[in-house]
Amino acid sequence: ILNVEQSPQSLHVQEGDSTNFTCSFPSSNFYALHWYRWETAKSPEALFVMTLNGDEKKKGRISATLNTKEGYSYLYIKGSQPEDSATYLCASRSYNTDKLIFGTGTRLQVFP
Amino acid sequence: DADVTQTPRNRITKTGKRIMLECSQTKGHDRMYWYRQDPGLGLRLIYYSFDVKDINKGEISDGYSVSRQAQAKFSLSLESAIPNQTALYFCATSLSDSEAFFGQGTRLTVV
Repeated sequence: ILNVEQSPQSLHVQEGDSTNFTCSFPSSNFYALHWYRWETAKSPEALFVMTLNGDEKKKGRISATLNTKEGYSYLYIKGSQPEDSATYLCASRSYNTDKLIFGTGTRLQVFP
Repeated sequence: DADVTQTPRNRITKTGKRIMLECSQTKGHDRMYWYRQDPGLGLRLIYYSFDVKDINKGEISDGYSVSRQAQAKFSLSLESAIPNQTALYFCATSLSDSEAFFGQGTRLTVV
C-alpha cells in the first residue's frame, strides 16, 4: 500500500444498524493513524489518534482498532443514529516524512 | 473565537489573478498544513510547515506557494489562479503527536 485508502466510498444504513469501515495505509515507517468525523458544512474533527499495534479506542458508540504490521484500521459504529451521518476520514503519519496524508473518506448516511 | 481562523471564508476571483488565503492559530502548535478538498478526492496536502524556517511540499504543490510569517500564521498564495484551483481549502495545525485541528475552510471559486 503506497497511499491511504478507505472503503467503502459510501454507506447507507438504517437507524440501529451497526457498521464498520476500513482504512488501509503504508505499514513501513508508520507513526500514527488518525480518524476524523466530518459533517457537512463543518470542519473535520478528530475522533481517535492511534500509534501502537493492537490499539483499540472507544468513544461512546464508536470504536477503532489498529493493525500496524499489515497496515489497516477499522472504525466501528454500534447502533447507528441519524446524527452519525457524516464523512469519516482516516489519515496516516509516517516517521520519515511526518506528513499527515488523508484517505478519500467513507460517507455514511443513516436513515431513520 | 476559533482556535484556527481562515480568511477569507469565501472568495470569487478571476483567472490569472493573484490571491492569498490566510490562516492564523492560537493553539501554539508548531505544525501547520494547507489542504484542498475536491468532491470524491478527500483532503489533499498542498504544503506543510514544522516551524517558521521549515516549509515542505505536499502532494499537489504546483501552482501554489506558502509563507510561514510566524509560528501562528501560515498563508497560501495562488500566484495566477486557474479554474481547476476552484476548491474548498482547509488550514490545519497540530503538535508532532496530536490530532490535527482544522479551520473553518475557505471556499475559492476561480472564474
